Amino acid sequence: QKEVEQDPGPLSVPEGAIVSLNCTYSNSAFQYFMWYRQYSRKGPELLMYTYSSGNKEDGRFTAQVDKSSKYISLFIRDSQPSDSATYLCAIKGTSYGKLTFGQGTILTVHP
Amino acid sequence: EAGVAQSPRYKIIEKRQSVAFWCNPISGHATLYWYQQILGQGPKLLIQFQNNGVVDDSQLPKDRFSAERLKGVDSTLKIQPAKLEDSAVYLCASSGGASGGARETQYFGPGTRLLVL
Repeated sequence: QKEVEQDPGPLSVPEGAIVSLNCTYSNSAFQYFMWYRQYSRKGPELLMYTYSSGNKEDGRFTAQVDKSSKYISLFIRDSQPSDSATYLCAIKGTSYGKLTFGQGTILTVHP
Repeated sequence: EAGVAQSPRYKIIEKRQSVAFWCNPISGHATLYWYQQILGQGPKLLIQFQNNGVVDDSQLPKDRFSAERLKGVDSTLKIQPAKLEDSAVYLCASSGGASGGARETQYFGPGTRLLVL
C-alpha cells in the first residue's frame, strides 16, 4: 500500500465550478499536510499547509483534514481557467522535512 | 528574492551515458532536496542535505546516482550510467533554517527534464 493515495483524475470542469481534490494516507504518524500546485513545465508551489484536523481557508481555496479517517481534501470555489494545473497532496513525516507526495490530479477549467 | 535555480533545463542522452544536474538554492537556505518526478507521478525524494551533510538518501540508487553539496550551497546530482527508466524531471528544492523542521516550506526549482534514449 502506498503511503499517500490521490484520486488520479483527470478532472475537467467549467469555469465557476466547485472542485474537490482528495487524498488518503496510511501512516497516522504524519502530522503536516500540504497541497502543491504544479503548472506545466514548472516546479511545484505551495498552495495550502495545515497541521491539524479541520478546515483552513485561503481565498477560494479550502484545505480539509480528517485525521481519524486519514483523509485530506482541497476545495476550489469559483474555479478559473488559471487554476488549470496538476494538484499534488503532500504529507510530512515527523522529522527532517521529508515530503511524501500523492501522484497528482490534473485539473482543467474550461471557459 | 531569487528562487531556486537549476540547469540545464533539458537534457537528452543515450543509455549508459553519464549526466549531471546543477542546483543553486535560495540564498541562506540550509536544507536542499533532490526529487525525481516520473511522468504521471508525484515527486519522490532522492536525497536531502542539511548544510554539507546528507540527512536522507534512502531512496537514492547509489549504484548509479551520486550527489554532493559543496560548501553547503550549490549541489550537483549525477547519474552514471543512465538507464531508460531514469527518464524523468529532476527537481531541486530548498528550505530555510538550520533545523530543517517540519513546518518549513520547500521551494522548488523549475526542474531538469531528462530523456534517456
